[in-house]
Amino acid sequence: GPKVLQIPSHQIIDMGQMVTLNCDPVSNHLYFYWYKQILGQQMEFLVNFYNGKVMEKSKLFKDQFSVERPDGSYFTLKIQPTALEDSAVYFCASSLAWGADEQYFGPGTRLTVL
Amino acid sequence: GEQVEQLPSILRVQEGSSASINCSYEDSASNYFPWYKQEPGENPKLIIDIRSNMERKQIQELIVLLDKKAKRFSLHITDTQPGDSAMYFCAASSGANTGKLTFGHGTILRVHP
Repeated sequence: GPKVLQIPSHQIIDMGQMVTLNCDPVSNHLYFYWYKQILGQQMEFLVNFYNGKVMEKSKLFKDQFSVERPDGSYFTLKIQPTALEDSAVYFCASSLAWGADEQYFGPGTRLTVL
Repeated sequence: GEQVEQLPSILRVQEGSSASINCSYEDSASNYFPWYKQEPGENPKLIIDIRSNMERKQIQELIVLLDKKAKRFSLHITDTQPGDSAMYFCAASSGANTGKLTFGHGTILRVHP
């Protein structure tokens, strides 16, 4: 089936540093999402993105977070500066259409902030 | 915003029996309800979904039911196998049709031989 790729699979950084998580969405998909999952809990929506713009963000999407997809390359989530509570698995997802459409999730990036 | 409740949190069944997971939502405008299966250390995988113009959908041993009036939906796995053991999440789409999914807290399903 459709595959979403994420790089890196694991990232360990010191609190206060910047981190960029990379997502390669399904090739013909136009809508992109980031979700955060703390161990043993459910995925929580962070942000969605279309046509170069953030369409909606949750209260978890702090001011230190930003997303972009320059020139059709990776869809990225940047956290600057990181905090201890940012430690989680971050899943990227993409969908072909807006609204009620299948979202395919990548394998996730496990972020550990020390 | 949307909230999704999911029960039970843990479900243990014997191989060959049925398993049922129930979810409820609050936003009557939600129109898309996917179910994801997640194995330890893996990404969530879409296994079945239902849209608000349907009441029932079946894919092989998976059945989903949607009661819009009661704002409830459920997943039923018939003839469970050990390979069905995993975490299952229900989700509801944003009523604003933005693609935002709100997930339930998950159900750990254990199928015993």
